[in-house]
Amino acid sequence: QKEVEQDPGPLSVPEGAIVSLNCTYSNSAFQYFMWYRQYSRKGPELLMYTYSSGNKEDGRFTAQVDKSSKYISLFIRDSQPSDSATYLCAMIKAAGNKLTFGGGTRVLVKP
Amino acid sequence: SAVISQKPSRDICQRGTSLTIQCQVDSQVTMMFWYRQQPGQSLTLIATANQGSEATYESGFVIDKFPISRPNLTFSTLTVSNMSPEDSSIYLCSVADPAGRNTQYFGPGTRLTVL
Repeated sequence: QKEVEQDPGPLSVPEGAIVSLNCTYSNSAFQYFMWYRQYSRKGPELLMYTYSSGNKEDGRFTAQVDKSSKYISLFIRDSQPSDSATYLCAMIKAAGNKLTFGGGTRVLVKP
Repeated sequence: SAVISQKPSRDICQRGTSLTIQCQVDSQVTMMFWYRQQPGQSLTLIATANQGSEATYESGFVIDKFPISRPNLTFSTLTVSNMSPEDSSIYLCSVADPAGRNTQYFGPGTRLTVL
């Protein structure tokens, strides 16, 4: 079993819809949580960084962490075609520095 | 954040040859990392490179195949040695957040094709 599970998609939504992405993890040692966006043929771009349970908002993006359920989510409001990309969740254990990635979810926002 | 560049951006190489990938960051960072991303896959950590010490390799990766240099706090190289078609991947460097948060920033990647 992988330490971090993420639905590979693809997830197809119409422009303006809310995109909902999530990851589950098995090890409670993970304490720092990130979402990256990766466009085709580009490196991952850090979107959100959180370390506590609850919600964090940044513009159209909301990251949610539920440590008791070992579950993290990313919501994209008012989705645009430019949001079409692969979204990777990643996490780091306390006192560690190694990123563990989910497999990535491919998102397609249709105009 | 950090601005990271990689050279080359892409290359096509012959089996049995070696390629050195360069990673340059715009600020001094303690930790740099090298990842491999095979087609359609997520990222796999190859090694962690700290300035002034030997790189630390993950299970399945060895120094003879992927030698790494870290001569200063803004630069690192990864060499892919004695290449085979199975080495065709995107190779990415990343750096620990210069602001001290427990996260990483990534370069644009080097797309390697081995014939």
